Amino acid sequence: RKEVEQDPGPFNVPEGATVAFNCTYSNSASQSFFWYRQDCRKEPKLLMSVYSSGNEDGRFTAQLNRASQYISLLIRDSKLSDSATYLCVVNIQFVEAAGNKLTFGGGTRVLVKP
Amino acid sequence: NAGVTQTPKFRVLKTGQSMTLLCAQDMNHEYMYWYRQDPGMGLRLIHYSVGEGTTAKGEVPDGYNVSRLKKQNFLLGLESAAPSQTSVYFCASSATGGGSPLHFGNGTRLTVT
Repeated sequence: RKEVEQDPGPFNVPEGATVAFNCTYSNSASQSFFWYRQDCRKEPKLLMSVYSSGNEDGRFTAQLNRASQYISLLIRDSKLSDSATYLCVVNIQFVEAAGNKLTFGGGTRVLVKP
Repeated sequence: NAGVTQTPKFRVLKTGQSMTLLCAQDMNHEYMYWYRQDPGMGLRLIHYSVGEGTTAKGEVPDGYNVSRLKKQNFLLGLESAAPSQTSVYFCASSATGGGSPLHFGNGTRLTVT
């Protein structure tokens, strides 16, 4: 089982609609969670961190469910410019060497159409 | 403020050739990482460094070596390139470990024929 899993999609979303998708992680010791956005053939960029109580950033809402070991991202009022791949990133405690290691999910592709 | 800069942007190698990818960051970050991204596989960690003079293996380290002689630079070496190393390589840095966000370079597209 992969440490971090995402539905690859694509999620085809009409412009203005709401879309939500999840990311599951297998290690209960995971401590930090992030959503990154990656446009085609570009580098990933941080979209938002995910806090225990859930958090919003404009049209984007992130939630964490520790009991079921998943995080979610919801996009309201989808724009054409929201079309991208959304990467879930989980900080998993790494035994060897000091510090932590971030593990990426495979990404969920979102296509917003007029 | 350039952030994270990777060179080169593109490269084509023949099997058995060697090359070094350079990553430089000007944010005084302690942590640096090398990832590869392949279709359907997501980003996989090759090697990482938690500070100047330190390196550690990631998920897929075989066939690669790294060095962090200076805090701002993290080099990724391929001693004998193989077609399986055809990929897009991303360097990233972060201020601390897993709790701080990653800043990525623009990527290097490597093709090994």
